[in-house]
Amino acid sequence: IQMTQSPSSLSASAGDRVTITCRASQNINRFLNWYQQRPGEPPKLLIFAASTLQRGVPSRFSGSGSGTDFSLTINSLQPEDFATYYCQQSYSFPCNFGQGTKLEIK
Amino acid sequence: QITLEESGPTLVKPTQTLTLTCTFSGFSLNTRGLALAWVRQPPRKALEWLALIYWNDDKRYTPSLKSRLSITKDTSKNQVVLTMTNMDPVDTAKYFCAHTQFDMSTGHFMDVWGQGTTVTVSS
Repeated sequence: IQMTQSPSSLSASAGDRVTITCRASQNINRFLNWYQQRPGEPPKLLIFAASTLQRGVPSRFSGSGSGTDFSLTINSLQPEDFATYYCQQSYSFPCNFGQGTKLEIK
Repeated sequence: QITLEESGPTLVKPTQTLTLTCTFSGFSLNTRGLALAWVRQPPRKALEWLALIYWNDDKRYTPSLKSRLSITKDTSKNQVVLTMTNMDPVDTAKYFCAHTQFDMSTGHFMDVWGQGTTVTVSS
């Protein structure tokens, strides 16, 4: 299953609302995870099962979608949110990731 | 508190076998519904899922590397070992291990990661 994210990069300002999309090459139900990775750090789980917020993740992060189309929305961007975001499907092996979306400060 | 730490050589030569160890604490890999996965990331590139081992010793591999990979666990030592044979410069990457939860309603998700270990393949 191929995962395609868009856009590949995105410029935004603190306080903005942004949405990143992820498309699966076939139906993956709701088996979709989102991770955030800051430079030099390991990925951090934000959302699993398409829309379930991981414990400790701020509520400005939200996920939606099912089937083949998914999105990650970040409300009111904070400075620490500028990072790279990856989607990952867990419907079948291998649990492939998308190519990443780099969120940069405008 | 769950922690994971990857260890292994930082430099391997082409054709050699890489052996990486993930030492963890804060959970038991004998617990139903748990697994441990390996993911790698070449410099400035995306994440690539490699392999996973379940609490019941069931194993899964990415098909493109399946012939070169082996994942095993030693629950008495709280360790999981990943071996990759016939290393090539394209295998240069940071290798991460991750605590993975599995449920029929949520699928697999990696909720705690190690810091990763960088492996360079060069003669």
